[in-house]
Amino acid sequence: EDKVVQSPLSLVVHEGDTVTLNCSYEVTNFRSLLWYKQEKKAPTFLFMLTSSGIEKKSGRLSSILDKKELFSILNITATQTGDSAVYLCAGRYRYNNDMRFGAGTRLTVKP
Amino acid sequence: EPEVTQTPSHQVTQMGQEVILRCVPISNHLYFYWYRQILGQKVEFLVSFYNNEISEKSEIFDDQFSVERPDGSNFTLKIRSTKLEDSAMYFCASSLDYNEQFFGPGTRLTVL
Repeated sequence: EDKVVQSPLSLVVHEGDTVTLNCSYEVTNFRSLLWYKQEKKAPTFLFMLTSSGIEKKSGRLSSILDKKELFSILNITATQTGDSAVYLCAGRYRYNNDMRFGAGTRLTVKP
Repeated sequence: EPEVTQTPSHQVTQMGQEVILRCVPISNHLYFYWYRQILGQKVEFLVSFYNNEISEKSEIFDDQFSVERPDGSNFTLKIRSTKLEDSAMYFCASSLDYNEQFFGPGTRLTVL
């Protein structure tokens, strides 16, 4: 059965810390892996990763995909309280539009 | 910046009643989706829609559910006879192609 597993489930850090969120996946006919940030309501798109080993970066956030080991990481450097959210990763299928989401990592950044 | 919108933001209904959740996807997008998230649980795929027909649906999307694009802008999810376990946040999303999907703010459905 296809699955996406995120770890840790919950993480509490202080402002300025660097965090690494993990996502492993088993998705048949895998196309891409997506990261979303979910605050109060709708997930907002962060990254889409299709190729292995190519880091995507946006400000203090970066992500990379390892298609051999079937995982991705999301790094956040110099965390701020506004980074507090649930971070979701999702595996996207090649031949259809289904996405399989992980349970998310709840990140809390304390001042 | 264009965004997906959903109405209502919160709907309360009695068990057995029909509900229609409405979404306006981003205007030039071609693929439309519904997801749900039961409180404290994962986001789950329900259905995708392309070229005026369902392209994929999950096992959650049974005969009680239907989707429609009644005009050029709206995309609706109908639940024919709601059950208590249908209580969840329902997200609509749209995408231009097989890339990132943009989510709406969600409709919280509460079935009493």
